[in-house]
Amino acid sequence: EPEVTQTPSHQVTQMGQEVILRCVPISNHLYFYWYRQILGQKVEFLVSFYNNEISEKSEIFDDQFSVERPDGSNFTLKIRSTKLEDSAMYFCASSPPLRSSYEQYFGPGTRLTVT
Amino acid sequence: AQSVTQLGSHVSVSEGALVLLRCNYSSSVPPYLFWYVQYPNQGLQLLLKYTSAATLVKGINGFEAEFKKSETSFHLTKPSAHMSDAAEYFCAVNTPGMNRDDKIIFGKGTRLHILP
Repeated sequence: EPEVTQTPSHQVTQMGQEVILRCVPISNHLYFYWYRQILGQKVEFLVSFYNNEISEKSEIFDDQFSVERPDGSNFTLKIRSTKLEDSAMYFCASSPPLRSSYEQYFGPGTRLTVT
Repeated sequence: AQSVTQLGSHVSVSEGALVLLRCNYSSSVPPYLFWYVQYPNQGLQLLLKYTSAATLVKGINGFEAEFKKSETSFHLTKPSAHMSDAAEYFCAVNTPGMNRDDKIIFGKGTRLHILP
């Protein structure tokens, strides 16, 4: 069964550094999302992406964040200058073209640790 | 605006006992509702979903949930708990929009502990 993949599984970076989290959505999906989960807290929506542009973004998704679909398969989340509070699990999700259930398929996550 | 409330951040049940995890939602339009499970250090796995068809929804691993519009609830149940059910469970809502924008709103999660 096709699934969303994410790399790396764990990323450690120093405060102020740039990080890029990578996702490969399911191949025929057209809607892409990033969520994050700070340790012990609930999963929060960051951004949705469709037709090569951002559809919606949350208050968390400030100017330090950006998303890109550089080719036909990858979907990336970039954090320009990481802060300690960016430490979290980041989940990528994708959704198929036919929106019969608005279900989103989640990847396994990338754990980002900012030191 | 959509929201989800999960009652009880921790629930403990004995192995073999009934599992009941409570979820109430708020939505101005008919919602799509989901339960996700997260095992330690793993991602989110879809247990089941409500999409306005049958109100009683069966999912994987013996779980089911019933959509009750009058109570705005979508509680998750399993008749007999197994040790392997120990995990974090998230109730979530998405609403169909007139445009392509959508996002899943998650509850705070309920950690299920299974007692031997």
